[in-house]
Amino acid sequence: EPEVTQTPSHQVTQMGQEVILRCVPISNHLYFYWYRQILGQKVEFLVSFYNNEISEKSEIFDDQFSVERPDGSNFTLKIRSTKLEDSAMYFCASSERRTSGGELFFGEGSRLTVL
Amino acid sequence: QKEVEQDPGPLSVPEGAIVSLNCTYSNSAFQYFMWYRQYSRKGPELLMYTYSSGNKEDGRFTAQVDKSSKYISLFIRDSQPSDSATYLCAMSGSSASKIIFGSGTRLSIRP
Repeated sequence: EPEVTQTPSHQVTQMGQEVILRCVPISNHLYFYWYRQILGQKVEFLVSFYNNEISEKSEIFDDQFSVERPDGSNFTLKIRSTKLEDSAMYFCASSERRTSGGELFFGEGSRLTVL
Repeated sequence: QKEVEQDPGPLSVPEGAIVSLNCTYSNSAFQYFMWYRQYSRKGPELLMYTYSSGNKEDGRFTAQVDKSSKYISLFIRDSQPSDSATYLCAMSGSSASKIIFGSGTRLSIRP
């Protein structure tokens, strides 16, 4: 069964460092998303991406965040200068078409720990 | 008032019991309602997806939406230990991008 894959599964970084989280969405999917979940808290929307541009972003997704689809398979989330409060599980998701959640497939997540 | 409210639990029931999980919401613009299951340290997995009010059944799972009361439910029949997980309600409006999640209910099924 096709799946969304994310790397790394866990990354530990020092505050102020840049981090890139990588995702390989399901191959025929066109819409891509990043969500995050701080430990013990709810899953929060960060950004959606379609046709090589951001469709929507939340207030969490400030100037230190960026997303990119550098090639035909990867979708990345970059955090330019990490803060302690960026420590969370980051989930990538993809869908074949514009959806309101019904066909959204999530990866297993990348755990980011900022020290 | 929070946009989506969900009792965090934990909820512990014996195997075979019927489980009822619920969420309330405040935004009347929500039209799409989902239930996700999340095992520990894994990504959310879509269980049920409904549009507007009504019931939807899929195997042992039934989702109910009552838009007039802004209340959604997930029922699990003949619960199994493998159903032990955190269940997240989620919903969205006309925007196809932004899904609002509840905080999740941790469910444990005792053998």
